Amino acid sequence: KAGVTQTPRYLIKTRGQQVTLSCSPISGHRSVSWYQQTPGQGLQFLFEYFSETQRNKGNFPGRFSGRQFSNSRSEMNVSTLELGDSALYLCASSSGKVSDYGYTFGSGTRLTVV
Amino acid sequence: DAKTTQPPSMDCAEGRAANLPCNHSTISGNEYVYWYRQIHSQGPQYIIHGLKNNETNEMASLIITEDRKSSTLILPHATLRDTAVYYCIALPYNFNKFYFGSGTKLNVKP
Repeated sequence: KAGVTQTPRYLIKTRGQQVTLSCSPISGHRSVSWYQQTPGQGLQFLFEYFSETQRNKGNFPGRFSGRQFSNSRSEMNVSTLELGDSALYLCASSSGKVSDYGYTFGSGTRLTVV
Repeated sequence: DAKTTQPPSMDCAEGRAANLPCNHSTISGNEYVYWYRQIHSQGPQYIIHGLKNNETNEMASLIITEDRKSSTLILPHATLRDTAVYYCIALPYNFNKFYFGSGTKLNVKP
C-alpha cells in the first residue's frame, strides 16, 4: 500500500514569509503527527491530529499551526518564518492504536529559510 | 511519560550482531517499547515493538527485561546499510507526549 506522502520535498522561503506543508497519510490511518528535525534539537514533536481534532501539541510558538481534513490529509503552516525554522519537517501517520506498528513516517519536507 | 536513555554511538563490524541498549526505567504498564531507525535525512523507519515479551521479525529482535526497565535491539548480522541513528521510544496507548530522544548512532564498519 502507498506510504505517507509529503509535499513538497524541498522548499526555500524568505524570512517573514509563510509556508504550508502537506501530508497524505496511509489509507485508513486517522492520526497524523508532525515533527521538526534540526541538527541541534533532534526530532521534536509539533502536534498530532486525530479525526480532524488536534489531540496533542508540543512546545512550539503559535506561528506553527496545523489542520486535518475529513479525508485525514493534513497541512501544517508556519507564519512569519524565521531563519531558525530551517529544518526537516516530518509527518507520520498511524491507525491510532499503539499496538498497531506505531507511526509510519514520510520522507519529509526540507525547508530552508533565507 | 517515560523517557529513554541510549548511548550516543556504537560501532559494529559488518556481519556481526549489533546489540543496542535502551534504558526506560520510568516506563508505565501501558507504554510499548518501539524502535525506529533513521538513515541520513530520511524519515524514521519502524523496526520492531513490544510490550512485555521478546519479539522477533525479519529485521531484528527485541529483548525486554522482565521488569521492563530496559531493552535491547539486536540486529543479528549487521550490514553497512544498517548504519543509521536508532531511536528507542516508550509509546503510550494514546500517543500522548512521548519523547524521541537523541538515539544511538550505529556505525557498521567493513
